[in-house]
Amino acid sequence: GAVVSQHPSWVICKSGTSVKIECRSLDFQATTMFWYRQFPKQSLMLMATSNEGSKATYEQGVEKDKFLINHASLTLSTLTVTSAHPEDSSFYICRPELAGGQSSYEQYFGPGTRLTVT
Amino acid sequence: AQSVTQLGSHVSVSEGALVLLRCNYSSSVPPYLFWYVQYPNQGLQLLLKYTTGATLVKGINGFEAEFKKSETSFHLTKPSAHMSDAAEYFCAVSDSNTDKLIFGTGTRLQVFP
Repeated sequence: GAVVSQHPSWVICKSGTSVKIECRSLDFQATTMFWYRQFPKQSLMLMATSNEGSKATYEQGVEKDKFLINHASLTLSTLTVTSAHPEDSSFYICRPELAGGQSSYEQYFGPGTRLTVT
Repeated sequence: AQSVTQLGSHVSVSEGALVLLRCNYSSSVPPYLFWYVQYPNQGLQLLLKYTTGATLVKGINGFEAEFKKSETSFHLTKPSAHMSDAAEYFCAVSDSNTDKLIFGTGTRLQVFP
């Protein structure tokens, strides 16, 4: 199956700082990237959808200026949490969508990044 | 709009017993349905999916699910639970137009010896 990596796998940062999370599709090209957030003992909530080379589309209630998404290439997308606060502590998971209509609905997910803001 | 409801946030079964995790969906277009498993501090692993065709779908680890349009359900079953099945299970729905996945709230499965 397709391989998706996220870096870092976990990060602790101080309140007010920014954190960048990388999501890479290692053996396929992804024109679309979905970013999810999962609070402890809760389900995954879609934060935003990005297409390579264009601006991301954010779900209702997600601050686009706080969660900056860059999808500059077909194999790399980044999520930057700016001016992090303790309530941003969560598990962030990416999901790349295969390019060229090859998704076959396999729905590959990254392994997740656990962010803790102190 | 699409939505998913998972009845029962916690399910406990004995090892060897039948596992039944319930999922009902709402969709204005033909849905694509998925079940995922998540172990602690890990990402999601696809168990099985339904897109078109046969309504009884077999997945990994002995799990299967049946798409019942009349009941708008996609319940997950396994004839005999193993200790290793203890995890969080998520049902999700999407459609061919958006590829967005909408998740249910999850069901934590506990398996007792």
